[in-house]
Amino acid sequence: QKEVEQDPGPLSVPEGAIVSLNCTYSNSAFQYFMWYRQYSRKGPELLMYTYSSGNKEDGRFTAQVDKSSKYISLFIRDSQPSDSATYLCAMTIYSSASKIIFGSGTRLSIRP
Amino acid sequence: ETGVTQSPTHLIKTRGQQVTLRCSSQSGHNTVSWYQQALGQGPQFIFQYYREEENGRGNFPPRFSGLQFPNYSSELNVNALELDDSALYLCASSDKDRAKEKLFFGSGTQLSVL
Repeated sequence: QKEVEQDPGPLSVPEGAIVSLNCTYSNSAFQYFMWYRQYSRKGPELLMYTYSSGNKEDGRFTAQVDKSSKYISLFIRDSQPSDSATYLCAMTIYSSASKIIFGSGTRLSIRP
Repeated sequence: ETGVTQSPTHLIKTRGQQVTLRCSSQSGHNTVSWYQQALGQGPQFIFQYYREEENGRGNFPPRFSGLQFPNYSSELNVNALELDDSALYLCASSDKDRAKEKLFFGSGTQLSVL
């Protein structure tokens, strides 16, 4: 079993829809949770960084962490074609960025 | 402020050869991490360098080695290339002296081993 599981998709939604992306994990020691966006032929770009359970909002993006269920989510409101990319969840035990564990990524397509 | 730059962008090698990939870290960052991303997979941690010393290593064999220079740029060396080494190699820089260290990635080097 992988430490971090993520549905690879692809996920296709119409422009303006609310998108929900999810990851589950098995290591209860994870404390820091991240979401990265990766466009084709580019490196991952940090979108959200959260610590502990709860919600964090940044513009159209909301990150949610449920440590009791070992489940994290990223919600995208008012989705745009420019949001089409692969979304990677990532997590680590310490605030140090050593050995961040990534999910396999979900490919998202927003239809105009 | 300059971002993370990697060179070359693409590389084709044959099995058994050796390769060196290069990374310039973002201005003000003292730490470089290297990741391997196979097609359709998430990045996998290879190792990290902090102030020229190795600061953690993932599950990769010793033929994967690295260096960090006084200006905090870095190299990843892979010896005796195997077909399975074909992947996107990502470099990320960060400032380990800050709380909640965050990684900033370059665009990667696409390595093909034939």
